Formats: sequence, structure tokens, C-alpha cells
Amino acid sequence: GENVEQHPSTLSVQEGDSAVIKCTYSDSASNYFPWYKQELGKGPQLIIDIRSNVGEKKDQRIAVTLNKTAKHFSLHITETQPEDSAVYFCAASKRGDKIIFGKGTRLHILP
Amino acid sequence: ETGVTQSPTHLIKTRGQQVTLRCSSQSGHNTVSWYQQALGQGPQFIFQYYREEENGRGNFPPRFSGLQFPNYSSELNVNALELDDSALYLCASSPGLAEISYNEQFFGPGTRLTVL
Repeated sequence: GENVEQHPSTLSVQEGDSAVIKCTYSDSASNYFPWYKQELGKGPQLIIDIRSNVGEKKDQRIAVTLNKTAKHFSLHITETQPEDSAVYFCAASKRGDKIIFGKGTRLHILP
Repeated sequence: ETGVTQSPTHLIKTRGQQVTLRCSSQSGHNTVSWYQQALGQGPQFIFQYYREEENGRGNFPPRFSGLQFPNYSSELNVNALELDDSALYLCASSPGLAEISYNEQFFGPGTRLTVL
């Protein structure tokens, strides 16, 4: 079955700098790659997603890239702000199947 | 548009008891998935319901069961609770399997279950 690896597990960046989180997946049939942000005491919030027919997608300060050949995908957050501090999860899914999550990255934005 | 809601928010049970958790899906969504999230881990898929039928199950024992109702709300039932069942239980709804090619899911706030 699908396996999603996520790195790093913890990331600290200075406010205003960029943060990058990387994931790999194992099932070449996966076609949908969402990213979720989870704040303390809340459920995961979908912040951006990318589909297998696209290599890159951007939404304001966040962007995702997908390399299908290498089975890698990444989340980039630019101009980080204190409210970006949270746990971020990458995930992978294929049509009609469950979503498989990575183990999460705890992002700390330092003042 | 109303998002995904779950009840209760917190629950404390003792080992061996039974529990029922509830979820109301987002308006227009006919598919509900349940996940278990242990502390410090990513959500783990329990099962999914599509139009009142179970459609896929993760690696969880039969004492984890569910229902989906005609209005697409859902219940998760856990029998014979064990200490390891302590976790955040998340419900996620999506527009539907037949209607879409991509499994976009939206999560509720979760129910924190503590088993003593």
C-alpha cells in the first residue's frame, strides 16, 4: 500500500524567512497530494493541494511542487509569519481510495 | 455553507466501555471518512462511507464500526474500549467518489477520547 514519508519532523525558521517541507510517496498511482495545517486543539485544515497533472501550484505565500518521476512533493512557505506556526501534514491519495498522511512537521516561527 | 461538525468535543471513558461519536458532513458532501490521530502522529484512516455503504477500511479491528444516515451524517462506534484507543477522532467529508477524480476532504475539529 501507499506510504508517505515527511521531513523534517521539526523546523524552526526566523520570521520573514522561507520554510520548506518535503515528502515522498511510494504508490505511482497516487494522483492527489493535499497539504494540511493543524493548530493546537483543531482538526487539519486543507491549505493547498496539487494534482498529478500539474508540476507546481502557488497560492499567495504558499506553493507546492510535484516531481512524479521521483515521487517527491514539497511545500514552500515564503515570508513566514507567527501565525504560520503549526503542524503541517502532507498526504497522498488516488481516485476512490483513502488519504495516507505523513507523520507531520512541527513548524516554529521565531521572532 | 456549513462546515464539518463533530460531537462531543471531549469524552472520557473507562476500559471495556463503548462509545459513539457523531459527525455532520459539509453541505453537499455525500462521503464521510473517519480517522484516528494519536498524539504526535498523522491521522490514520479507519473507514469511509459513501451513500450509506462502507467503502474501504483501514487496519482497525471489527470493534470499530460505523454508520452513515440518509442525510449523510455519520457515527463511529467503538466497543470494548482499550487504553490505546485514546486519541483524537477526526471526521472528514468530501463531495463524493463517483463525482470526482480527486479525493479532496475537509476535516471537522475532532473528538478527543480519553480511555482510563
